[in-house]
Amino acid sequence: DQQVKQNSPSLSVQEGRISILNCDYTNSMFDYFLWYKKYPAEGPTFLISISSIKDKNEDGRFTVFLNKSAKHLSLHIVPSQPGDSAVYFCAGGAGGTSYGKLTFGQGTILTVHP
Amino acid sequence: GAGVSQSPRYKVAKRGQDVALRCDPISGHVSLFWYQQALGQGPEFLTYFQNEAQLDKSGLPSDRFFAERPEGSVSTLKIQRTQQEDSAVYLCASSLAAGTSVKTQYFGPGTRLLVL
Repeated sequence: DQQVKQNSPSLSVQEGRISILNCDYTNSMFDYFLWYKKYPAEGPTFLISISSIKDKNEDGRFTVFLNKSAKHLSLHIVPSQPGDSAVYFCAGGAGGTSYGKLTFGQGTILTVHP
Repeated sequence: GAGVSQSPRYKVAKRGQDVALRCDPISGHVSLFWYQQALGQGPEFLTYFQNEAQLDKSGLPSDRFFAERPEGSVSTLKIQRTQQEDSAVYLCASSLAAGTSVKTQYFGPGTRLLVL
């Protein structure tokens, strides 16, 4: 039972254009979501988060949108840069008194071409 | 240190050998997590510590896996009698105490374990 799914294994985008990475989830208990970026041989690096009470959070070139009714979230990167090429993971976590164990998707490989 | 550190970064073990993986979390972070990441997959939860207490070990694959955090800071993940299926990247993450609405976890670089 995969509670978080990233159905696109890879995405290729031209430099300067928008990258849209998608994530679907099934667990209604998630209270927040996180996006991580991972380069080869490094650990995941935190990018941006969103609480389930919001539908949008923006940080510089990165914006995350959350559609609770569809159980879908997306990460928009505008404009995309070659240095954004990496594997991107979305993850769901439970809030409140929960300690915040994360459930990850399988990841999407983003390639930004110069 | 500024971030989470892990050692060793790479470990090659012969099948049946015991290994120990170390994690130094961010100073002051109460919560510590271990994840296992297989090739081409996302990280999967293994175990959780709040200070020195192991509150959840539901993700540990077998009783060959053991984790500890005796003084509430450094943690060690031990795998006894390693098997080939244990080959993976083992990630450690830490976060501030519970009570915040979004509990962001910060990851170390991981230990890549290869069992031959």
